[in-house]
Amino acid sequence: DTGVSQNPRHKITKRGQNVTFRCDPISEHNRLYWYRQTLGQGPEFLTYFQNEAQLEKSRLLSDRFSAERPKGSFSTLEIQRTEQGDSAMYLCASSPQGDTQYFGPGTRLTVL
Amino acid sequence: EDQVTQSPEALRLQEGESSSLNCSYTVSGLRGLFWYRQDPGKGPEFLFTLYSAGEEKEKERLKATLTKKESFLHITAPKPEDSATYLCAVQLLTGFQKLVFGTGTRLLVSP
Repeated sequence: DTGVSQNPRHKITKRGQNVTFRCDPISEHNRLYWYRQTLGQGPEFLTYFQNEAQLEKSRLLSDRFSAERPKGSFSTLEIQRTEQGDSAMYLCASSPQGDTQYFGPGTRLTVL
Repeated sequence: EDQVTQSPEALRLQEGESSSLNCSYTVSGLRGLFWYRQDPGKGPEFLFTLYSAGEEKEKERLKATLTKKESFLHITAPKPEDSATYLCAVQLLTGFQKLVFGTGTRLLVSP
């Protein structure tokens, strides 16, 4: 197992388009987190899954954002009607029983 | 409000010049404090977890310590490959153990 993987690594889109990112956690990690990181800032929490259940969502996660984790395996994060302010690095992390979170390489989103 | 502050924002060292990075925190309840290293364009890489005041962890040229109000990351005789952004994060007792990050310290080690 090589760790958390994320696809795509880079995404350039036009304002108003929808985008979807995928995260594959470390196998057997039942906890999965999404964070967003802008330039010069630390990652900010977006949402958390335990198995397939989405248990916590940040106030940062507007109605245009939706996340799923079907069958408790991979997760997707969709942004509808993208805005320039959505440009950021989107990071996924997974952990076993709520301890150390291991991060993926991130998806860099640029909204033109 | 739970808050994490890192200082300095940026640090430039000569190879072999030891120094320390600071992470101070104000939280309602601390479950653990984490240090990560982040290279440009990559995700954070886990370094250490500290759970209680007085605890210390070491890895190669890095040593992390924890008090009730802050944590230090000591870098001994750094090398250019230690250049990166070092992130501190706290994990809260409440909620589902999300991490609250500081803004990081950008370290540049010159040969």
